[in-house]
Amino acid sequence: GAVVSQHPSRVICKSGTSVKIECRSLDFQATTMFWYRQFPKKSLMLMATSNEGSKATYEQGVEKDKFLINHASLTLSTLTVTSAHPEDSSFYICSARVGGVTNEQFFGPGTRLTVL
Amino acid sequence: SQKIEQNSEALNIQEGKTATLTCNYTNYSPAYLQWYRQDPGRGPVFLLLIRENEKEKRKERLKVTFDTTLKQSLFHITASQPADSATYLCALRMDSSYKLIFGSGTRLLVRP
Repeated sequence: GAVVSQHPSRVICKSGTSVKIECRSLDFQATTMFWYRQFPKKSLMLMATSNEGSKATYEQGVEKDKFLINHASLTLSTLTVTSAHPEDSSFYICSARVGGVTNEQFFGPGTRLTVL
Repeated sequence: SQKIEQNSEALNIQEGKTATLTCNYTNYSPAYLQWYRQDPGRGPVFLLLIRENEKEKRKERLKVTFDTTLKQSLFHITASQPADSATYLCALRMDSSYKLIFGSGTRLLVRP
């Protein structure tokens, strides 16, 4: 099956610093990748849709200047949390859509961000 | 806006029994409804997809039904095993975009 990786799996940073999370599709090309955020025992909340070569589309309430998304190639999308604050601490998960009619998305293993 | 309800109470069953999980939604029916498994600290893993014009889909010990009249999907795991213990999420794709709306998931615990 399609494999999606994320790096790092876990990161701890100081308040005010920026953190970059990478999402890679390892064995397929993904024109569309998605970024989600998940709080403990809560649902995945879509943050933004990332299309290769174009600007990301952000969901309502998500600050685009705080959560910078770059999708420079068909296999890599990055999420940068800028000027991180403790309330940004969360589990960030990316997914990549396999082309075709169905909406089969394959998810990465997630990145646990802790902001001190 | 679309709301998805999954039973927030954990489902605790004996090994070998059939687990049945429920996903209810409001408003109009999605084009696709999908079920995922999520283990603690991990990303969701795709299990099954069912289209709005399909009533049932099977894959090995898994079965999904989709009732657009009741606005409900049921997810069954037959001959359950302790290894099936996880959180199961349902997700809806509503329109021509590829965005998914997730339920909050139901935690399943299968006792040996």
